[in-house]
Amino acid sequence: AQKVTQAQTEISVVEKEDVTLDCVYETRDTTYYLFWYKQPPSGELVFLIRRNSFDEQNEISGRYSWNFQKSTSSFNFTITASQVVDSAVYFCALSGGVSGGYNKLIFGAGTRLAVHP
Amino acid sequence: EAGVTQFPSHSVIEKGQTVTLRCDPISGHDNLYWYRRVMGKEIKFLLHFVKESKQDESGMPNNRFLAERTGGTYSTLKVQPAELEDSGVYFCASSQGIRREGLNEQYFGPGTRLTVT
Repeated sequence: AQKVTQAQTEISVVEKEDVTLDCVYETRDTTYYLFWYKQPPSGELVFLIRRNSFDEQNEISGRYSWNFQKSTSSFNFTITASQVVDSAVYFCALSGGVSGGYNKLIFGAGTRLAVHP
Repeated sequence: EAGVTQFPSHSVIEKGQTVTLRCDPISGHDNLYWYRRVMGKEIKFLLHFVKESKQDESGMPNNRFLAERTGGTYSTLKVQPAELEDSGVYFCASSQGIRREGLNEQYFGPGTRLTVT
């Protein structure tokens, strides 16, 4: 079965702190994709990153970085020097592969991040 | 470029009534998806259209839910008759192209919050 677990329900930090959001996934497929989405208060899900299962290189985009480790089935997301505008719910998602259907996203429960001034 | 739009943003109906949700995908996107988040749980896949055809409707909860995408443009999701457990946020997403691997990221709308009383 395919599953995404975001164990952190809520995280509260003070501005400028670094914060890591954890994501652990389960899948039997050898080819799959992992995603992170941000849901700001306005409600829409904003795409942040897509990573395929064959590319374990870490990625950095400004203050955002992602650490993909197949050995631990994890795809963690770090925000460096957090800002109030980073406050949102963050979702990790897994695309179904052969077993689940590539176009179907399986989401974790989300982590609510609150960044305080 | 306009994003995915959904109408209405909120809907409050009584149990037993009918509600129709509408989604307008990004222009040119062949793939259209419906998801829903019930009572703060995970966002769950409902179905996937490729143009006007249902590619995968494995997530549709029961036959009270009917999705259509006439002409391969906008889509509607009708709930008839609505039950209390249908309350939640219904998200629509769209993506480009028709690929087996689901490589393209899905762009989400702001969702429709449905409350059944």
